[in-house]
Amino acid sequence: EVQLVESGGGLVKPGGSLRLSCAASGFTFSSYTMNWVRQAPGKGLEWVTSISTGSSYIYYADSVKGRFAISRDNAKNSLFLQMNSLRAEDTAVYYCARVHIYSSGWSASDIWGQGTMVTVSS
Amino acid sequence: DIQMTQSPSSLSASVGDSVTITCRASQSINNYLNWFQQKPGKAPKLLIYGASILQRGVPSRFSGGGSGADFTLTINSLQPEDFATYFCQQTYTPPWTFGQGTRVEIK
Repeated sequence: EVQLVESGGGLVKPGGSLRLSCAASGFTFSSYTMNWVRQAPGKGLEWVTSISTGSSYIYYADSVKGRFAISRDNAKNSLFLQMNSLRAEDTAVYYCARVHIYSSGWSASDIWGQGTMVTVSS
Repeated sequence: DIQMTQSPSSLSASVGDSVTITCRASQSINNYLNWFQQKPGKAPKLLIYGASILQRGVPSRFSGGGSGADFTLTINSLQPEDFATYFCQQTYTPPWTFGQGTRVEIK
């Protein structure tokens, strides 16, 4: 079964750090670009960051640039999000998602994890 | 950054109705447009990519249209399981922005 499972969420104080993990199974992880997408309570979806298959191409939303770092370990089928200098506005469910690039050239996040909650509060 | 604007923000409809949701990009995105469905407490589910291509396993009552910067998601003959929130997303250029969402509620 194709699956993504996030872990590492929790309660952290403003200014603190947290590292999220995403374990992939059921597909060739090293062949897929991966995303982190978040959703604040009661709000919409916000794309956070993306990493290419070999980690050569990495992109961040302006809201997290300089504070968050995405990485991956293809040997361990794992994706990570290191979050530093956390703010209250970073409170959200964080999803990892696989990016499928179709033969036509389109791309879309076709597989999502169940999400992990990050709460930033004193 | 490309801004994505959905309308309406919410709508009420009955089972069997047809509904259309609109998504407008702040510039042309060459059909790099995806639609997702999300139910409360669940992860988003991909419905349509490339503006009009149905993801495998998605019922044919869902359809996407449009081009350039203006796109639509149509749901024909609404079923009880279709009441959810729908998001569009552009993947033309990073940051890969989402629309704010459209909540489809039962009338």
